[in-house]
Amino acid sequence: DGGITQSPKYLFRKEGQNVTLSCEQNLNHDAMYWYRQDPGQGLRLIYYSQIVNDFQKGDIAEGYSVSREKKESFPLTVTSAQKNPTAFYLCASSVYRNQPQHFGDGTRLSIL
Amino acid sequence: ELKVEQNPLFLSMQEGKNYTIYCNYSTTSDRLYWYRQDPGKSLESLFVLLSNGAVKQEGRLMASLDTKARLSTLHITAAVHDLSATYFCAVDSQGGSEKLVFGKGTKLTVNP
Repeated sequence: DGGITQSPKYLFRKEGQNVTLSCEQNLNHDAMYWYRQDPGQGLRLIYYSQIVNDFQKGDIAEGYSVSREKKESFPLTVTSAQKNPTAFYLCASSVYRNQPQHFGDGTRLSIL
Repeated sequence: ELKVEQNPLFLSMQEGKNYTIYCNYSTTSDRLYWYRQDPGKSLESLFVLLSNGAVKQEGRLMASLDTKARLSTLHITAAVHDLSATYFCAVDSQGGSEKLVFGKGTKLTVNP
């Protein structure tokens, strides 16, 4: 079955710690995206990548970093510089034009 | 900067009734998407609207797009409890880049 796999489902971060959220897709999609969702809010774009080895900042990139070394993988690192990281993080992918984005099941990040 | 506004943000309705959710956006775009999210879950694509006057229907839901008015509607016909969820519209902000801006969502509760 093709799809997007995010792991872990739940993650806890200590103060001053960097954590990495995994996102893997086997849909052969070129474009991948990371969103943050806060309670009662819509999704806000953190980073996106339209092709391997290239990515762009979204609307709320500060305190986050990404890499895109393989087409299938787009990991997100939440750095210690992100002072309010508690949120639901969603990864998505698309074939780039005129098609809906497909979403993973999300990772819920909390502060210890 | 593209802004997307949905209304209402909360909607409680009786089974069997009809209602419409509105999605307004602030700058020109001809690509609009509707998604559904169940509590604690990921987003599921409902409709892709790619041109002025586009209308799509699936079951009790019908979506339309008026690019001149910068308005999309999601019409619910004869609501049933299973339609209870949060509905998001998302607009392509850069003419085909698939960098989406999401509305805050409409939380729909259908009461028996």
